[in-house]
Amino acid sequence: GNSVTQMEGPVTLSEEAFLTINCTYTATGYPSLFWYVQYPGEGLQLLLKATKADDKGSNKGFEATYRKETTSFHLEKGSVQVSDSAVYFCALRAQGGSEKLVFGKGTKLTVNP
Amino acid sequence: DSGVTQTPKHLITATGQRVTLRCSPRSGDLSVYWYQQSLDQGLQFLIQYYNGEERAKGNILERFSAQQFPDLHSELNLSSLELGDSALYFCASSSAGARPEAFFGQGTRLTVV
Repeated sequence: GNSVTQMEGPVTLSEEAFLTINCTYTATGYPSLFWYVQYPGEGLQLLLKATKADDKGSNKGFEATYRKETTSFHLEKGSVQVSDSAVYFCALRAQGGSEKLVFGKGTKLTVNP
Repeated sequence: DSGVTQTPKHLITATGQRVTLRCSPRSGDLSVYWYQQSLDQGLQFLIQYYNGEERAKGNILERFSAQQFPDLHSELNLSSLELGDSALYFCASSSAGARPEAFFGQGTRLTVV
């Protein structure tokens, strides 16, 4: 079946540090890939998406590139801020068939001033 | 604001009881999804409705049921509640067509005591 594996945290960084959160997936064909973010006490917000190989999703300084050859969708940000502290979820939606999202377990990021 | 509204935000109830969670999707979205978020299981897909009809079923217990009404709002009914049902329940909605992303509500935190 389809699955998502992401690095489990927690991850603790200092402000202005570089962030990478690894995400790899297992799925047939070309799934759509997403990063969602959950701030404390809130719901999930769509951070970025990519729908085909080599697409780069970007938003609020975060980027992720859809790599079919390595089945990966790693999240990066060049300079994190305290306000980026949250839980980040990688997810996929399979090509055709079911429209449900399959999520990774989430990575908690804490950014210290 | 995602445009998806869930009520109530918090619910505390006793074991054996029955509760109903409500979701209003974004304007124009025909699909509604229910997910359960717990510490040990992560984010699990429960069920999807599309324009009033059940479209996909995930790891939903027989004690749980859902429906989508003609005005497209949805309700998730949880009965014979157990301590292990304590979790955050999210509703999400998406539109038909080429856009694959889903938008999430703020969630209902259910505590069974």
